[in-house]
Amino acid sequence: AQSVTQPDIHITVSEGASLELRCNYSYGATPYLFWYVQSPGQGLQLLLKYFSGDTLVQGIKGFEAEFKRSQSSFNLRKPSVHWSDAAEYFCAVGGYSGNTPLVFGKGTRLSVIA
Amino acid sequence: DTAVSQTPKYLVTQMGNDKSIKCEQNLGHDTMYWYKQDSKKFLKIMFSYNNKELIINETVPNRFSPKSPDKAHLNLHINSLELGDSAVYFCASSPASGDEQFFGPGTRLTVL
Repeated sequence: AQSVTQPDIHITVSEGASLELRCNYSYGATPYLFWYVQSPGQGLQLLLKYFSGDTLVQGIKGFEAEFKRSQSSFNLRKPSVHWSDAAEYFCAVGGYSGNTPLVFGKGTRLSVIA
Repeated sequence: DTAVSQTPKYLVTQMGNDKSIKCEQNLGHDTMYWYKQDSKKFLKIMFSYNNKELIINETVPNRFSPKSPDKAHLNLHINSLELGDSAVYFCASSPASGDEQFFGPGTRLTVL
């Protein structure tokens, strides 16, 4: 069965510092991988997705993620964090195998300090 | 031009009442979902519909009944509300299962 692990429940970074959020997945075939962001009181917004091709994908708001098949990882990065990036971040895995919907990780809460 | 909309945004009610949450998507997607997000932000899938047919029905009390009158709508009716039902409920849609999901803004349900 597919699963997603986000090892960090809460991360605090200083504004302007770099960021990496970890995501590990388990999936029996070639996965589709997603990162979503949820700002306080809002719904989930897609940051980026990987289906195939270049393993480094660019997303909105200056985020990028790298798919590493050998490590079953899809970590999210940003070179310089802004205070407005404080939010909950969810990694998800999916794929075209029957009627299985996306499986979401439990989320990582990002706090940004001045 | 809201892609996935939900009403109401907030719902405060007494234990034992029956309430409904409505969801509509204008993306032409075939698949729609209901999720429950608890206070720890954990997203739990409740139901999935594909072309008005129930595909996934996770371990959810039968007080929860989804209804899909057409491909663009998926409503959630909850009978005999309990304190533990308090949460944020999200509707989502996708072109197909396993594909990118588009989320509504959520409905914050508070049961007193």
